[in-house]
Amino acid sequence: RKEVEQDPGPFNVPEGATVAFNCTYSNSASQSFFWYRQDCRKEPKLLMSVYSSGNEDGRFTAQLNRASQYISLLIRDSKLSDSATYLCVVNPGGYQKVTFGIGTKLQVIP
Amino acid sequence: DTAVSQTPKYLVTQMGNDKSIKCEQNLGHDTMYWYKQDSKKFLKIMFSYNNKELIINETVPNRFSPKSPDKAHLNLHINSLELGDSAVYFCASSSLGQDFYGYTFGSGTRLTVV
Repeated sequence: RKEVEQDPGPFNVPEGATVAFNCTYSNSASQSFFWYRQDCRKEPKLLMSVYSSGNEDGRFTAQLNRASQYISLLIRDSKLSDSATYLCVVNPGGYQKVTFGIGTKLQVIP
Repeated sequence: DTAVSQTPKYLVTQMGNDKSIKCEQNLGHDTMYWYKQDSKKFLKIMFSYNNKELIINETVPNRFSPKSPDKAHLNLHINSLELGDSAVYFCASSSLGQDFYGYTFGSGTRLTVV
């Protein structure tokens, strides 16, 4: 099993749709989790951290399920500007290396 | 003020040349990284320095040599460039341990070896 797995997509969704991505991880002792967004030819930027209790930032909701070892990202009311690649990031803690997923490409269509 | 700045932004060079990429962060982070993103878009860590000490050194050809003169700077020198080195190289910084709240990335250096 890969350390971090994501469906690379692409996910093509119409404006206004709700879309969800999942990311599974193999290290059950991982300590923190993040979603990053990467636009074409740009650097990855932190979108949000992911907590066990779930967290919401506007149209974006992130969830962590430790029992099943996955994190999710839900985007409601998709905008054209949401088109990007969404990277799942898993931090095992301490000085161990952080692992990035391959990213899920989202294309929001007018 | 740019938090993590790397130079140059673009680098086109011939095979066999030696080149350097520089990175600086003004966030007060204690750890800096070099990542490589190839044509398949996979982000792969190359090196990590914590307070000038090398803590992660992935399987990277020894033609790649990082140097951290202080905790705010991390440079990458590449000898004898090969076609396969063409990629985008991202510098990043963070705090570590319980203070890890994710990375801040530089804008990337797009290296093309011809």
